[in-house]
Amino acid sequence: QVQLVESGGGLVKPGGSLRLSCAVSGFTFSDYYMNWIRQAPGKGLEWISYISSSSTYTKYADSVKGRFTISRDNAKNSLYLQMNSLRAEDTAVYYCARVSVEMATAGYWYFDLWGRGTLVTVSS
Amino acid sequence: EIVMTQSPATLSVSPGERATLSCRASQSVSNNLAWYQQKPGQAPRLLIYGASTRATGVPARVSGSGSGTEFTLTISSLQSEDFAIYYCQEYNNWPLGFGQGTKLEIK
Repeated sequence: QVQLVESGGGLVKPGGSLRLSCAVSGFTFSDYYMNWIRQAPGKGLEWISYISSSSTYTKYADSVKGRFTISRDNAKNSLYLQMNSLRAEDTAVYYCARVSVEMATAGYWYFDLWGRGTLVTVSS
Repeated sequence: EIVMTQSPATLSVSPGERATLSCRASQSVSNNLAWYQQKPGQAPRLLIYGASTRATGVPARVSGSGSGTEFTLTISSLQSEDFAIYYCQEYNNWPLGFGQGTKLEIK
């Protein structure tokens, strides 16, 4: 079954850290660039980071640059997001989503598969 | 950064009727626009890319149009499964931008 399953969310205090995971199945993980996208309660979607298929390239939104680190393990079909120095405004559901290498290199950055998300709550 | 504005925030339509959702970009995004559907507790689902190309498995009653700064998602003859939140997303520039969503509810 083709799916993405996020995990690792929870309650963390401001200034704390959390590591999210996204387990992939049903497709060739290394054929895709992977992304993290978040949605704060009652708000819209916000793209926050991507990593290329072989981890050569990464990119971050300004809102998380320097605090979050994206990584992947193609042997384990897994994507990760290390989140440090967390703030209340990082409270959101975090989704992983894929873009094929073909589409990404052509500049077509739309997401054809998403996970259901994992909730991160930053509160004292 | 391109700002995507969706309207209306909430749209009430009766089953069997047509729904028209709008998305406006603060500057041209050419036809680099996608639409997604999201239902409570579910993953967002890609509906449209390239402003007007339906994704695999999307029914023909769903259509997208527009280019530049003005885009429309039309769902003709609404079915019960169509009531959800819809988001537009531009991929012409970085950072990628999403609209705030339109909630399509049953009238």
